[in-house]
Amino acid sequence: RKEVEQDPGPFNVPEGATVAFNCTYSNSASQSFFWYRQDCRKEPKLLMSVYSSGNEDGRFTAQLNRASQYISLLIRDSKLSDSATYLCVVRGYGQNFVFGPGTRLSVLP
Amino acid sequence: ETGVTQTPRHLVMGMTNKKSLKCEQHLGHNAMYWYKQSAKKPLELMFVYSLEERVENNSVPSRFSPECPNSSHLFLHLHTLQPEDSALYLCASSQDRASYSGANVLTFGAGSRLTVL
Repeated sequence: RKEVEQDPGPFNVPEGATVAFNCTYSNSASQSFFWYRQDCRKEPKLLMSVYSSGNEDGRFTAQLNRASQYISLLIRDSKLSDSATYLCVVRGYGQNFVFGPGTRLSVLP
Repeated sequence: ETGVTQTPRHLVMGMTNKKSLKCEQHLGHNAMYWYKQSAKKPLELMFVYSLEERVENNSVPSRFSPECPNSSHLFLHLHTLQPEDSALYLCASSQDRASYSGANVLTFGAGSRLTVL
């Protein structure tokens, strides 16, 4: 089983739609969690860290369920500019950042 | 500008050439990383340096040779590469390797796109 798994995608949604991505991780000792965004042929950029109580940044909401070893990202009111690949990242204490394979999102006009 | 600068941005080399990729971070971070991203594949961790000491070599072939002369600079020396080594090579840094604080995040450079002929 891979350490970090994500929805295979691609997700093709119309502008204004709400879309949710899921991520599961296998290492129960994982301590910190992140969502990164990667545009085509560009470097990954931090979208948001994910905190135990869940957190929101504008149209983006992240949730963490430690018991189920599951992380989610919700994007509301999708914009064309949200089109990208979304990478789930986890790490344990003193461990490396482990990246999921990513889920590609295309927001259509 | 992310605070992590990579040069060159694009590199084309033959299989017998020797070249180097350079990374410099201006964030005061103590850990630096090399990742490889091939087309349609996930990021692969290659090397990790913490306070200039190599702490991880992720089974990378010896034709890739990293060097970290100080905590701000990281090099990847390339020699006798194969066409399958063509990829985007990403440098990243983080505050340190141990802390699991949500603020201890990876910051990437823009990458060096390598083509091996």
